[in-house]
Amino acid sequence: SYVLTQPPSVSVAPGKTARITCGGNNIGSKSVHWYQQKPGQAPVLVIYYDSDRPSGIPERFSGSNSGNTATLTISRVEAGDEADYYCQVWDSSSDHPYVVFGGGTKLTVL
Amino acid sequence: QLQLQESGPGLVKPSETLSLTCTVSGGSISSSSYYWGWIRQPPGKGLEWIGSIYYSGSTYYNPSLKSRVTISVDTSKNQFSLKLSSVTAADTAVYYCARRTGGIAAAGYYYYYMDVWGKGTTVTVSS
Repeated sequence: SYVLTQPPSVSVAPGKTARITCGGNNIGSKSVHWYQQKPGQAPVLVIYYDSDRPSGIPERFSGSNSGNTATLTISRVEAGDEADYYCQVWDSSSDHPYVVFGGGTKLTVL
Repeated sequence: QLQLQESGPGLVKPSETLSLTCTVSGGSISSSSYYWGWIRQPPGKGLEWIGSIYYSGSTYYNPSLKSRVTISVDTSKNQFSLKLSSVTAADTAVYYCARRTGGIAAAGYYYYYMDVWGKGTTVTVSS
C-alpha cells in the first residue's frame, strides 16, 4: 500500500512562511491534494491537483510536487492558519485503487 | 449551495453493525461527475478513507476495511449510506461524508479529491 509521510508538527511566527511536506515514493508522478482542519470542524480543501486553489482560498496558500516530496506553502502566516493539514493522493497502482491520506501536520503559529 | 449531512446512532454496541446515512441537498446525487464517500477520524488521530460510491452503485473500498464495509445509494432520496459490521472500540470516530471529484492530469492519469464535506457525526462503540 502507498504511504504518505508528514512531519507531526511545524511551527512558524506570524508573517513568516510555513512549509509542510508530504513524502511518498515517486509522489511527483501523482496529484497531491491538501486539506486544512481546525479543531472541531470538518476538513476544508485548500489545494488540489498539486497547486490549484479552490475558490475562496487565499493566494497565500500554494503547493508544489516533485520527486518524492510534495509541499504546501503558506505565505504571510496568520493566527487563523493554525490547524492540522493533511495531504492526500489517489493510489491507482493496484487492482483496488483507493484514497490515501498522510498522517497530518499540526501547524502552530507562535 | 451543495450541503451534506450525516445522520445515525451516536452509540453502537461492540460486535454490532454501525449504520449511517448522508443526505445531499442543493444538488443531485445522480450527477455523472461525482462519487460520494465516507471518511472517518478516530479521536486525536488522522483521517482514514472508508470508501466511495457512484450513483449507479459502483463502489471503491479501503482494502483494510473492505470485508466489513458496505456503501449503498438511494437516488430517490438523494442519500447514500454506510454500514460497518462487527464494530469494536477501534471504530469509535467522527464519520464524515464527502463528495469526491477529480480530473485527468496532463500525464494522462486520473486524480480524485474531496471538495465538499459534511460536518461529521460522532459514533462511539461501547457496551
